[in-house]
Amino acid sequence: EAQVTQNPRYLITVTGKKLTVTCSQNMNHEYMSWYRQDPGLGLRQIYYSMNVEVTDKGDVPEGYKVSRKEKRNFPLILESPSPNQTSLYFCASRRGGVMGETQYFGPGTRLLVL
Amino acid sequence: AQKITQTQPGMFVQEKEAVTLDCTYDTSDQSYGLFWYKQPSSGEMIFLIYQGSYDEQNATEGRYSLNFQKARKSANLVISASQLGDSAMYFCAMRETDNYGQNFVFGPGTRLSVLP
Repeated sequence: EAQVTQNPRYLITVTGKKLTVTCSQNMNHEYMSWYRQDPGLGLRQIYYSMNVEVTDKGDVPEGYKVSRKEKRNFPLILESPSPNQTSLYFCASRRGGVMGETQYFGPGTRLLVL
Repeated sequence: AQKITQTQPGMFVQEKEAVTLDCTYDTSDQSYGLFWYKQPSSGEMIFLIYQGSYDEQNATEGRYSLNFQKARKSANLVISASQLGDSAMYFCAMRETDNYGQNFVFGPGTRLSVLP
């Protein structure tokens, strides 16, 4: 089954404790992105990757890191989480080259930073 | 300035009636794409419909259609014959061609409630 998986689905942590949210897709997609969703703001792009070892900042990159060492994986790293990073996070992937190609979203990760 | 505006934070519709969810956008690109997604209470993002800026016909997918008015920069989603399962958040999104088409911007969403 074609899918994007994220782990963990739910996470409660404390300020300053490093964490990683994993994302994996099995569709051989070139493009992958991370978004955060906050009430009234919709989804905002954090980082994206156009292929292995090619990443760039989205609209809200502060406090986050990413890496793309393999095509299928695109982990999101919070080196020192803060309460304002409490949010719902989505990973997404899509094929390259076609404007009409939708993104495929993972199930989301709910993060609470105390 | 907001690139995607959804002016209706919440909407109610009676079951079996049609409903229009508004979306206006702002771009200087000639080539862009507009998407609608549904997010039920379970949280997943479900792709509904796509409209390309050069498409001459309005997009349709089953009960979903997109009322695309390019000159007004609007891309309203029309849901015909609403069902209880249509109750969800709906997001309008735009993909521009800048930066290899990686600019994917979402609106704040509209929460639709279908009444029995």
